[in-house]
Amino acid sequence: DTGVSQNPRHKITKRGQNVTFRCDPISEHNRLYWYRQTLGQGPEFLTYFQNEAQLEKSRLLSDRFSAERPKGSFSTLEIQRTEQGDSAMYLCASSHPTLDTQYFGPGTRLTVL
Amino acid sequence: ILNVEQSPQSLHVQEGDSTNFTCSFPSSNFYALHWYRWETAKSPEALFVMTLNGDEKKKGRISATLNTKEGYSYLYIKGSQPEDSATYLCAFDQTGANNLFFGTGTRLTVIP
Repeated sequence: DTGVSQNPRHKITKRGQNVTFRCDPISEHNRLYWYRQTLGQGPEFLTYFQNEAQLEKSRLLSDRFSAERPKGSFSTLEIQRTEQGDSAMYLCASSHPTLDTQYFGPGTRLTVL
Repeated sequence: ILNVEQSPQSLHVQEGDSTNFTCSFPSSNFYALHWYRWETAKSPEALFVMTLNGDEKKKGRISATLNTKEGYSYLYIKGSQPEDSATYLCAFDQTGANNLFFGTGTRLTVIP
């Protein structure tokens, strides 16, 4: 399977714990995006990388959130001191340098108890 | 945050019926309009990227039209099948700056 992969698919954690999600993009895609979808809403943009550079961050990305893409390949999204409001589906997408289509992974569903 | 609206929120149709949904978006500063199909427990699947006013795109039984001047796009499904059951999302790209603004989706259920 050469699509975008995300791990884990599901994560249940207690409030106050830290969690980290991983995204592996399609291999020739240099752009990588993170989105969050809460119940009843469409996905909302969080952040965007071109290669290893984080070029844009949404105001939704509070100080507790940090994303990295150290070698321009896979990316991690860490949430520190999780809150119940962080419960959501976290989606990763990647795109080719010359094309507009963003290809999505299956998402990581986070539940904060 | 840009206002992207989709209607209806949900739709039930009989197998074989044709159906359509609407996506409305701001009519100023348009770059592209994306359509995705998202089946439960799967990845959102890209259907179309539309960039030109009057654009019409087709993929099998699914087609889409675009009106950038009035800020809307229609998605049509001809002869709906149970496997078409999914949430259909549109996403507005205002500047090509890579962050998509999604609508809340239309959830389609096709009844056999």
